[in-house]
Amino acid sequence: AQRVTQPEKLLSVFKGAPVELKCNYSYSGSPELFWYVQYSRQRLQLLLRHISRESIKGFTADLNKGETSFHLKKPFAQEEDSAMYYCALSGVGTSYDKVIFGPGTSLSVIP
Amino acid sequence: NAGVTQTPKFQVLKTGQSMTLQCAQDMNHNSMYWYRQDPGMGLRLIYYSASEGTTDKGEVPNGYNVSRLNKREFSLRLESAAPSQTSVYFCASSEAPAGVSNEQYFGPGTRLTVT
Repeated sequence: AQRVTQPEKLLSVFKGAPVELKCNYSYSGSPELFWYVQYSRQRLQLLLRHISRESIKGFTADLNKGETSFHLKKPFAQEEDSAMYYCALSGVGTSYDKVIFGPGTSLSVIP
Repeated sequence: NAGVTQTPKFQVLKTGQSMTLQCAQDMNHNSMYWYRQDPGMGLRLIYYSASEGTTDKGEVPNGYNVSRLNKREFSLRLESAAPSQTSVYFCASSEAPAGVSNEQYFGPGTRLTVT
C-alpha cells in the first residue's frame, strides 16, 4: 500500500540555519514524489517535484530509492519559509490517479 | 484563469443538516479531488474523479457523496452532517490520468463547523 510518513509534526530552526524536513514513503512501483507548501492563510501549492530536479526558493529534495526517502533541504532558512509542508506521492505509469499526502510538518523559522 | 474555486468559504451547520460544497476548475483538467485537512492528520482524500462521469472513494469517504457534474465541476455533499466532519475541505484538480505528472492545483478551502 502507498504510504507517506513525515516524522516531525513541528520543526523550529533559527534564521540562517540549515533545515531538513524528512519524508519517507512506501510504494511498490515507480513513484512520483512532491513537496507542497501552505503559507499562512494561503492555499496549498506545489513547491517542487523530484522529476524536475530543480531548486525552488532555495529548497532541494533528492529521491533516494534505496532508503525510500525524499527529504526537503535548504542550507539557510529564512523567516518567510515558515509554513506547513506536505510530502506527497503518486503512482506513475498506472491507472492510479490518486495522490497520497503525508501528515505534514509545520516549520517555524525563528528570527 | 481563476484556477480552482470553491464555495462557500465558511459554513456552520447543525448536526443532521445537509449541504453541498461546490468546486470548479477552468484549467481543462481531467481529474478532480476532495480532501479534508485536520490538525495532525494532514490531508486525507475523501473522493476523487479521474474523468468526467467517474468517481472513486478515497481514504475517508463515509458520510460524503460526490458528483462530477461535468469536466469543470465536482461537488461534495454531506447528507447528514456530524461534528466529526468539522474540518477544512480542499478541492483540487490535476491534468493526469495515468502517465502524466499528477501535480495538484488546490482551491482556497472551505472551513466547515458542525455543532
